[in-house]
Amino acid sequence: DTAVSQTPKYLVTQMGNDKSIKCEQNLGHDTMYWYKQDSKKFLKIMFSYNNKELIINETVPNRFSPKSPDKAHLNLHINSLELGDSAVYFCASSPGPEGSIFGPGTRLTVL
Amino acid sequence: AQSVTQLDSQVPVFEEAPVELRCNYSSSVSVYLFWYVQYPNQGLQLLLKYLSGSTLVKGINGFEAEFNKSQTSFHLRKPSVHISDTAEYFCAVSERTGRRALTFGSGTRLQVQP
Repeated sequence: DTAVSQTPKYLVTQMGNDKSIKCEQNLGHDTMYWYKQDSKKFLKIMFSYNNKELIINETVPNRFSPKSPDKAHLNLHINSLELGDSAVYFCASSPGPEGSIFGPGTRLTVL
Repeated sequence: AQSVTQLDSQVPVFEEAPVELRCNYSSSVSVYLFWYVQYPNQGLQLLLKYLSGSTLVKGINGFEAEFNKSQTSFHLRKPSVHISDTAEYFCAVSERTGRRALTFGSGTRLQVQP
């Protein structure tokens, strides 16, 4: 039944490591996103894919690399993790302008 | 480019009292408007949206919002709040054409007290 799912829910890792977060949606939506929510709860778009094609790439360090193997999946790989990468990362999907459905979030803690 | 301003970072209110959470936006293009709610340690849930038509929109959990184009506002209201409404509320906009990604306000923490 889950519409937008993310794994893992929590991720604790050391500085310098590489990690991935996976996202899947079973809604048949064309567009998927990654958002970052910082410690002050501020939400900002990072990337957007439409039918596996990258359409939004905000000013994000190139240590962050999204990958969309198919329309239902959008993964986020992060290289050389830094303390400032600690945040909650939300995946979302949308069929159009009607608003997005968000996943439960992945809380990343970099030590 | 768009920006969203939520002037109140926190709104304390007693149970069963009415509440209004304010949202103003700025955009060079036409936008759609949304309110999302985030309960503690959870994801974001869509409360309501304005796409077109009547400027008064009703959402889930008894919330409603009114779009005011001249004041570029989209304030959220509820006539009587419950303890369970305690959460973070985010106003957001997206372009009507072009990129669909949401631009969020900084959020308003609604704290309902008994």
